[in-house]
Order: sequence, then C-alpha cells, then structure tokens
Amino acid sequence: GAGVSQSPSNKVTEKGKDVELRCDPISGHTALYWYRQSLGQGLEFLIYFQGNSAPDKSGLPSDRFSAERTGGSVSTLTIQRTQQEDSAVYLCASSYSIAGGGETQYFGPGTRLLVL
Amino acid sequence: GQNIDQPTEMTATEGAIVQINCTYQTSGFNGLFWYQQHAGEAPTFLSYNVLDGLEEKGRFSSFLSRSKGYSYLLLKELQMKDSASYLCAVGRDDYKLSFGAGTTVTVRA
Repeated sequence: GAGVSQSPSNKVTEKGKDVELRCDPISGHTALYWYRQSLGQGLEFLIYFQGNSAPDKSGLPSDRFSAERTGGSVSTLTIQRTQQEDSAVYLCASSYSIAGGGETQYFGPGTRLLVL
Repeated sequence: GQNIDQPTEMTATEGAIVQINCTYQTSGFNGLFWYQQHAGEAPTFLSYNVLDGLEEKGRFSSFLSRSKGYSYLLLKELQMKDSASYLCAVGRDDYKLSFGAGTTVTVRA
C-alpha cells in the first residue's frame, strides 16, 4: 500500500477485556516496529520485527502484551486483561530493513486506545 | 538506556527562525532523526544526520555534533502550518530508535 495503515483508529474497551491492534506496513518493508505514546509523553519503544521474527521482546510493558507478525507483512499487537494505564496511542512503523537503526521509519496513523 | 533532552515548548512569530536543541547520551550511536508530529497525527520524517555537520533541506536544516552529543533542528521562514511537536530520536547500532519527549512549537501571526 501507499503507507502504513493501522486498525482500528480508535478503540474504547472496558478494563479486563482483551484488545487486538493491527498494523499493515508499507509493501516491501521487512522491519516493523510498535511504539506507545501516552499523553504528553515521548514514544515508548515496545517491540520490533525483522521478517516474522521478534528477537527482543524486553520492551513490552508486561506479559499481558504480545505481538506477532505473519507472512512478513501484517502484525498484530494483543493486550490481554487491559488496564486503565494501557490507555495510549499505539503507533506502528515500518522501514525497508533493520539496518542497525539507521533506516528511516514510516509511521502509521496510530490506534487510540481508551480503557475505561 | 538513553537520555534525550529537548525543550518542552517554544513559541515564535510567523516568518521568524526557531532552533530546537537536542542533547543525548547513548552507546552504539547510529544517527539522529528529527520527526514532525501534528496534534492527533503520526510522526513524519524530517531529517537524518549520521555525520557531523549541517544538512539543509528547504526551510528545515539539521545539525549534528557527535562529540558533543548535540543536535539542533532549524526552522526558517516559519509558517502557521509549522506549529507541531518536533521529536528528536536517536538510532542505535542494534535496532532501537529512542525518542525524546518532543518540543511543541507554536507559531503566532
């Protein structure tokens, strides 16, 4: 596609429910990243994928968070048993390759998650 | 981890120049990015510096000094549409891109 797309754009859920956020990267980009941006805060790195592999999951805030990527394309970030502190904008980005951090990342519009 | 510091807010007049400074401490440095983020929108790429010096791109320029752990983004001939948050981000030689909290620039007529 022309750019990174994410769905849903907005999600309101009740505390304790599970949510699934989707990211569709730019076609041909092998690297995919998930970030979280809380109100007034900088972007917090969560996880990255090189192909379908996520070598380092240490950025995920807790074991309630998981992510997968299939077919080297679409990625899903799942939050189980959501808590109010999970409320944030979840941004996905992709880059052509991982290239040691020097590759430009292109961001999707984000999913705004509100946990009541 | 990284320490990335940039001012929280700046205000300038339309047509003026504003310089946004960013200082950082990191290991495995592999370049410094500047992103622009309008309220409610995704960050968009502005510039990338990996070597010392000034990179000019139209009204926007970015400078890097690796020895000082210092960068700035220079916005010239400010326009109202330049009102946004500007994010300084440090790339490392593994894979992570670490962002500062952002500088909110307000352009006034």
